Amino acid sequence: GENVEQHPSTLSVQEGDSAVIKCTYSDSASNYFPWYKQELGKRPQLIIDIRSNVGEKKDQRIAVTLNKTAKHFSLHITETQPEDSAVYFCARGGGADGLTFGKGTHLIIQP
Amino acid sequence: GAGVSQSPSNKVTEKGKDVELRCDPISGHTALYWYRQSLGQGLEFLIYFQGNSAPDKSGLPSDRFSAERTGGSVSTLTIQRTQQEDSAVYLCASTTQRGNTEAFFGQGTRLTVV
Repeated sequence: GENVEQHPSTLSVQEGDSAVIKCTYSDSASNYFPWYKQELGKRPQLIIDIRSNVGEKKDQRIAVTLNKTAKHFSLHITETQPEDSAVYFCARGGGADGLTFGKGTHLIIQP
Repeated sequence: GAGVSQSPSNKVTEKGKDVELRCDPISGHTALYWYRQSLGQGLEFLIYFQGNSAPDKSGLPSDRFSAERTGGSVSTLTIQRTQQEDSAVYLCASTTQRGNTEAFFGQGTRLTVV
């Protein structure tokens, strides 16, 4: 399937600081960009998504930005809290190969 | 059912045996995905179904792995002659369309090959 590069693989931030996770893709047919959160021992769940006709979307402390020209999109979490600690996956959809995921980012919130 | 259902939730098998994992997607979801997740690792794509056909089988690790979907609903992932490196959590997800809407995940099947 279509590759999605995700960075960093691990991110440690102080509680209250912001966290940013970035992903890049190569298929120009991509038109859907969701982010999933997976807590320890649980299944991944959608936290926010964006479509290619929008540049930014916010939902309380989380936001996603999309740069179609550069083919990258990012997840921003502000005022991080302990419950934000999890693995975050970006993904892209559209085209013939369905939904493909990045490798994931372990986000650690330091007290 | 209300969500994606996978069975069994846990499976311990002896090396060399065959196993069959089942995924029951949300009713009406045409797209179905299988992923493998080793401990602490990311989501490794295995196979994608659109209806009963599998346009992308590129992720299947070897010819010991196969999957089918019948009636556009339930899917089974079969691993023949299991090896210890097959031990992982196998996750299934379904969506309403071809990768353009939210994917809902099952709780996974934890496979342990001893």
